[in-house]
Amino acid sequence: SQQGEEDPQALSIQEGENATMNCSYKTSINNLQWYRQNSGRGLVHLILIRSNEREKHSGRLRVTLDTSKKSSSLLITASRAADTASYFCASYTGGFKTIFGAGTRLFVKA
Amino acid sequence: DTGVSQDPRHKITKRGQNVTFRCDPISEHNRLYWYRQTLGQGPEFLTYFQNEAQLEKSRLLSDRFSAERPKGSFSTLEIQRTEQGDSAMYLCASSLVFSNTEAFFGQGTRLTVV
Repeated sequence: SQQGEEDPQALSIQEGENATMNCSYKTSINNLQWYRQNSGRGLVHLILIRSNEREKHSGRLRVTLDTSKKSSSLLITASRAADTASYFCASYTGGFKTIFGAGTRLFVKA
Repeated sequence: DTGVSQDPRHKITKRGQNVTFRCDPISEHNRLYWYRQTLGQGPEFLTYFQNEAQLEKSRLLSDRFSAERPKGSFSTLEIQRTEQGDSAMYLCASSLVFSNTEAFFGQGTRLTVV
């Protein structure tokens, strides 16, 4: 079964608005990563946050991690139509594999 | 190096046929992963190599599936006697040996079994 679950499953916003996606996971992690996937394509790594970090920024992306709640959030500020994609959280628990959630489908309307 | 390369990008096959996919990882990466993704779902882990050694296999990898990485460079994933349920996107990823780093994904091979 999938390790993580994203919420919401789908999100539709206007260009310029902020988009927030949440991720929950089940077991202790070493790190958590967020990926983007455009329709029918491979995954692109966005940002990695380690278990001892609480917040991380990269350009218009802000990721938070709450290990006590086993949850993470991805905030995309000032969204653009080009941000339309599926976003996945992926938790690394050791043992050489990374477990993905089912993803949030983001649609940014121009 | 242009990243992880997968071939073919698309494959349509008849039920019962065998198919083989190839993945060329980033050259200095000694970890290689195979994932399967069905429509509307996240990627599901199939198997993992460190160099030429296959270190972990998912229960999803039935006896009809076999993966190899003979020289620790490229990898192949073979599906024998394909079934319609095998229709999916097969993704390959590679990473450096240190586990706390990102994995780089290829564009995937989309398999359709008719």
